[in-house]
Amino acid sequence: QKEVEQNSGPLSVPEGAIASLNCTYSDRGSQSFFWYRQYSGKSPELIMFIYSNGDKEDGRFTAQLNKASQYVSLLIRDSQPSDSATYLCAESNTGNQFYFGTGTSLTVIP
Amino acid sequence: GAVVSQHPSWVICKSGTSVKIECRSLDFQATTMFWYRQFPKQSLMLMATSNEGSKATYEQGVEKDKFLINHASLTLSTLTVTSAHPEDSSFYICSALSGTSSYEQYFGPGTRLTVT
Repeated sequence: QKEVEQNSGPLSVPEGAIASLNCTYSDRGSQSFFWYRQYSGKSPELIMFIYSNGDKEDGRFTAQLNKASQYVSLLIRDSQPSDSATYLCAESNTGNQFYFGTGTSLTVIP
Repeated sequence: GAVVSQHPSWVICKSGTSVKIECRSLDFQATTMFWYRQFPKQSLMLMATSNEGSKATYEQGVEKDKFLINHASLTLSTLTVTSAHPEDSSFYICSALSGTSSYEQYFGPGTRLTVT
């Protein structure tokens, strides 16, 4: 059974701080990892994907992947109230099947 | 790019009737589309994988005779909820794999189904 685990939160950070979201996965064969943001009542929106060990930066977002530890994280710098949402971690090893975590609820406090 | 649309965005139907939801990739061709269901405050639950020109692959516990999926073209997949019941009320979301990179899936805006 492939599993993706996330702390459901809620995680609260003050505006301007760094929000750190974490995800672990059980399948060592996983190749690709994704972070989605989902606002309440809306569908998920792809934020970032990462395939290689290390860091990948895109604007205020940085994804970090450690395949040895089966760990992927998302850092949000200079957090804004508009970043308040549920963040879903997902992994895939075939490109045709994706496994999602249950999501972490983030609240950025003005 | 990579825009996925769904229609309708919301629908209310009576118990026992059928409802069809359309999922379209607007600016790319998608050989693979996924259908998810999400109940309030819960995560996405994959219902089935839809491949163009072939039968859908259903996840364990999802009734294929109740949730009919048709992926007739590279830009359109449909989900029909047959003989809907109140417990089928949920948020149904489709996604499509972008042709530029098979590992990136983009989600439609979702369809909120309420069965009375």
